[in-house]
Amino acid sequence: GENVEQHPSTLSVQEGDSAVIKCTYSDSASNYFPWYKQELGKRPQLIIDIRSNVGEKKDQRIAVTLNKTAKHFSLHITETQPEDSAVYFCAARPTNSGGYQKVTFGTGTKLQVIP
Amino acid sequence: EADIYQTPRYLVIGTGKKITLECSQTMGHDKMYWYQQDPGMELHLIHYSYGVNSTEKGDLSSESTVSRIRTEHFPLTLESARPSHTSQYLCASRQGGHEQFFGPGTRLTVL
Repeated sequence: GENVEQHPSTLSVQEGDSAVIKCTYSDSASNYFPWYKQELGKRPQLIIDIRSNVGEKKDQRIAVTLNKTAKHFSLHITETQPEDSAVYFCAARPTNSGGYQKVTFGTGTKLQVIP
Repeated sequence: EADIYQTPRYLVIGTGKKITLECSQTMGHDKMYWYQQDPGMELHLIHYSYGVNSTEKGDLSSESTVSRIRTEHFPLTLESARPSHTSQYLCASRQGGHEQFFGPGTRLTVL
């Protein structure tokens, strides 16, 4: 089955600096990679995703890069703000024809942005 | 409003009690999931469902059971609650190749 590793487990940055969270996956059949943000006491919510036919995707201050050959993908947050403080989860999912398309989550990164 | 709902949001119960955590979604999604999560920690998949009358156990061994009699409803039952079941339980749903939506969670405390 798929195994997703996520690093670091905690990350502290000064407001305005960039933050990078990295994930690796093991199953070459995985081709959909979402990132979720979970604020304290709230539900995880999708912030950005990328499919395997794309190497990079940007949405304002957040971007995700994917290296299929190396089986790793990363979340980049620029100009961090205190409201970016949360736990971030990466995930991987295959889009197999038929059968169950299981989402495998990373173990999470707690990001703290220091004002 | 199309969303995913969980009740109760908070539950404190004694050891040995039977409890059912409710999850309903109004988005018509075929796939539904239950996760166990200690606050801010890893998401552990405990049950999932392809669709009506389809349920499977997830990665984390669980003493709970689920049912999927209707598309929109995916309840989780603990026959005999124990202190080790104290955690947050998140329900989620998805349609096809699209994103997975999470419910607000039920925070369970077993005394």
